[in-house]
Amino acid sequence: GQSLEQPSEVTAVEGAIVQINCTYQTSGFYGLSWYQQHDGGAPTFLSYNALDGLEETGRFSSFLSRSDSYGYLLLQELQMKDSASYFCAAHNDYKLSFGAGTTVTVRA
Amino acid sequence: GAVVSQHPSRVICKSGTSVKIECRSLDFQATTMFWYRQFPKKSLMLMATSNEGSKATYEQGVEKDKFLINHASLTLSTLTVTSAHPEDSSFYICSARVLDREVYGYTFGSGTRLTVV
Repeated sequence: GQSLEQPSEVTAVEGAIVQINCTYQTSGFYGLSWYQQHDGGAPTFLSYNALDGLEETGRFSSFLSRSDSYGYLLLQELQMKDSASYFCAAHNDYKLSFGAGTTVTVRA
Repeated sequence: GAVVSQHPSRVICKSGTSVKIECRSLDFQATTMFWYRQFPKKSLMLMATSNEGSKATYEQGVEKDKFLINHASLTLSTLTVTSAHPEDSSFYICSARVLDREVYGYTFGSGTRLTVV
């Protein structure tokens, strides 16, 4: 089956940097995505890694190591609006399998 | 970009009735759509994969007779919750797979909050 592990919650202050780790065990893996979801809303796409290395998109960066079955999302210069749930999702067998989500709380 | 429209956003129904949720791809053709269910503070659980013109593929443990999926056109997939009960109350989200520059991406509808009373 598919299994993705990520921390349940993280709290940080405005301006800080937060790293959310994700380890996965999945068959047919071909990439890792990250999604943000605010309460009551739909998931919105943040980043995608198919190859090892770092992908940078503004304040958010994502990293993947296929040999370690590991990835992370880096949130820099945290803002209050970044308070949300963040999900890693494995692309496999032409569908997405989601981790349990990490709730990020940003404090002033 | 690819947009998926999901309706209704909220619905309250009585126990024993059926509810239909629609998911439309607005500016692209979606051969494959996915239906997820999400409980509060929990992950998105894939319920089924819907392919245009064929039967949906349900994940293990999902009752196909309870959650009827129809994907009759390239722009519309529907999920019908039949004989709804309070335990079916949840957030249901659809998603379409989109091929963008040789990479499959996924775009999500805005979700439907179902409350069964």
